[in-house]
Amino acid sequence: QVQLVESGGGVVQPGRSLRLSCAASGFTFSSYGMHWVRQAPGKGLEWVALISYDGSYKYYGDSVKGRFTISRDNSKNTLHLQMNSLRADDTAVYYCAKDPGSGSPYINWFDPWGQGTLVTVSS
Amino acid sequence: QSALTQPASVSGSPGQSITISCTGTSSDVGGYNYVSWYQQHPGKAPKLMVYDVSMRPSGVSNRFSGSKSGNTASLTISGLQAEDEADYYCSSYRSSSTLVFGGGTKLTVL
Repeated sequence: QVQLVESGGGVVQPGRSLRLSCAASGFTFSSYGMHWVRQAPGKGLEWVALISYDGSYKYYGDSVKGRFTISRDNSKNTLHLQMNSLRADDTAVYYCAKDPGSGSPYINWFDPWGQGTLVTVSS
Repeated sequence: QSALTQPASVSGSPGQSITISCTGTSSDVGGYNYVSWYQQHPGKAPKLMVYDVSMRPSGVSNRFSGSKSGNTASLTISGLQAEDEADYYCSSYRSSSTLVFGGGTKLTVL
């Protein structure tokens, strides 16, 4: 079955960087777009970024544009999120999620989601 | 302030039906049939319940149904069960290659 396992979360100081990873299994990773979605403690969901199946195009939410970079390594079935210039309001559980297709710019739905990794930005 | 508006909470008794609304604009809910609904139990990852306004993924009970009228989408849960108690989020594609969520609705089964 499809499995997504995030890692790399932790406590980081404001202004510093952190890199998240998501290990995928149970499907042909290189054929599907992938997303990052986050959820601040006690708050709702926020879409963060999309990468197409081959990494040729990427889209970002306004709150992370210019600071976060989504990437993928199809040889290792792994998705990444490089987060720079972190701020307190980036504190959240970060989920990776599978796109239903190759990663159309008409972002639609996500299924399944990983279990998430917590990022805490605090001095 | 979330991009899509949902009621903060709804409740119902076992066996009853409830409906959760999700209101957006013509740039998102009203403009595209790309509305989805997710169920999230405490401490768990969200689970897709409805996509493309009214489609159900394999394995999701037919007690869950989605619809849309104008700028408002709705999720209806019929025959409420205790395990339906959870948070529910709607989402929609929004023009310029982005996706927006609702603020979430807490469903309480009385």
